[in-house]
Amino acid sequence: GEDVEQSLFLSVREGDSSVINCTYTDSSSTYLYWYKQEPGAGLQLLTYIFSNMDMKQDQRLTVLLNKKDKHLSLRIADTQTGDSAIYFCAESLGGGGNKLTFGTGTQLKVEL
Amino acid sequence: GAVVSQHPSWVICKSGTSVKIECRSLDFQATTMFWYRQFPKQSLMLMATSNEGSKATYEQGVEKDKFLINHASLTLSTLTVTSAHPEDSSFYICSARDPGRTDYEQYFGPGTRLTVT
Repeated sequence: GEDVEQSLFLSVREGDSSVINCTYTDSSSTYLYWYKQEPGAGLQLLTYIFSNMDMKQDQRLTVLLNKKDKHLSLRIADTQTGDSAIYFCAESLGGGGNKLTFGTGTQLKVEL
Repeated sequence: GAVVSQHPSWVICKSGTSVKIECRSLDFQATTMFWYRQFPKQSLMLMATSNEGSKATYEQGVEKDKFLINHASLTLSTLTVTSAHPEDSSFYICSARDPGRTDYEQYFGPGTRLTVT
């Protein structure tokens, strides 16, 4: 079955790096995603990684994938107060057009 | 491009009444839409997959007679919560897949907050 776990809460100081972790159980996952949700809003896709990749960098965001350990992480460099939100990892089999299984979500709080 | 809207953004209804939530793809045709439910401080749980012109596929544990889904056109899917009860109060989010774009992404609506009193 599919089960995606995240730590519930992360607090960092503005300007520091944030690392949000995610573990998943389904080794058949094809795409893995990071979404951002601000209060009362829908989801914004931040980045994604295909399962045959180890790392992907997109401006301040770095995604690392360890397939052996089924571990995904999102690093946000130079974290800003506007980054405060809930971050969800998600996995899908066969692409994002298919069913997504979301993680439990990590609340990121950025303090001045 | 690839904008998905939902209407209403929030709704309050009395217990026992029915509520319809609309999900529209504004600038693309969506053959497949997804409906998710999110309880406070929890993750999104997929309720059903809505395919244009055919019956929706419901996830295990989701009552199809209670949550009626209609995907009557390529730009509109509706979710009707029938005989709503306070435990149905939740944040309902839809997403849509654009078959004309890359396969990796779903586009999410802004969500509808339902409160049943």
